[in-house]
Amino acid sequence: AQSVTQLGSHVSVSEGALVLLRCNYSSSVPPYLFWYVQYPNQGLQLLLKYTTGATLVKGINGFEAEFKKSETSFHLTKPSAHMSDAAEYFCAVSDWGSQGNLIFGKGTKLSVKP
Amino acid sequence: EPEVTQTPSHQVTQMGQEVILRCVPISNHLYFYWYRQILGQKVEFLVSFYNNEISEKSEIFDDQFSVERPDGSNFTLKIRSTKLEDSAMYFCASSEVGDRHNEQFFGPGTRLTVL
Repeated sequence: AQSVTQLGSHVSVSEGALVLLRCNYSSSVPPYLFWYVQYPNQGLQLLLKYTTGATLVKGINGFEAEFKKSETSFHLTKPSAHMSDAAEYFCAVSDWGSQGNLIFGKGTKLSVKP
Repeated sequence: EPEVTQTPSHQVTQMGQEVILRCVPISNHLYFYWYRQILGQKVEFLVSFYNNEISEKSEIFDDQFSVERPDGSNFTLKIRSTKLEDSAMYFCASSEVGDRHNEQFFGPGTRLTVL
């Protein structure tokens, strides 16, 4: 069965530093890939998604992610962290044969230090 | 901007009691989902719902669970006889279509605590 691994349950960066949140999936057949963000007391919000085409995907708030089939990865990056980026980030996949249900990673809580 | 809403935000119940968690999906969406997240664990898919019937469900969604769209706006998750292990954050989501790559919009969640 498909699984999603997010390395690091908690990542802390300084404001202005690079943000790198890691995500790997298990399937040999690439699924559709998503990153969601959850701010305190709010629902999960889609940051970006990869379905087909260009492997570098740009999302909201300056985030981007690159699909690397050879590494079964979909890591999320942002060149310069802002205090408002502090939130929990979830990587998710939608597998072949499913009807849209998402398989999530455990989430990574991002802290941004001034 | 339209959003998915969920009530209550926090529900405390005694083991064995029935609970109903409520969701109002985005009005023009046709596909509805429930997910849950036990503290410290992954967000897990429970069930998807379309055209007044269940489309897909996970192993977690056993006979103790049921879903319903009682009117044109609400989408509910009922747990008939709650267990301690049902304590979790429950998220409702909706999407325009059920395609694998379509964006699901999530509500803020209901935290269920079973004592």
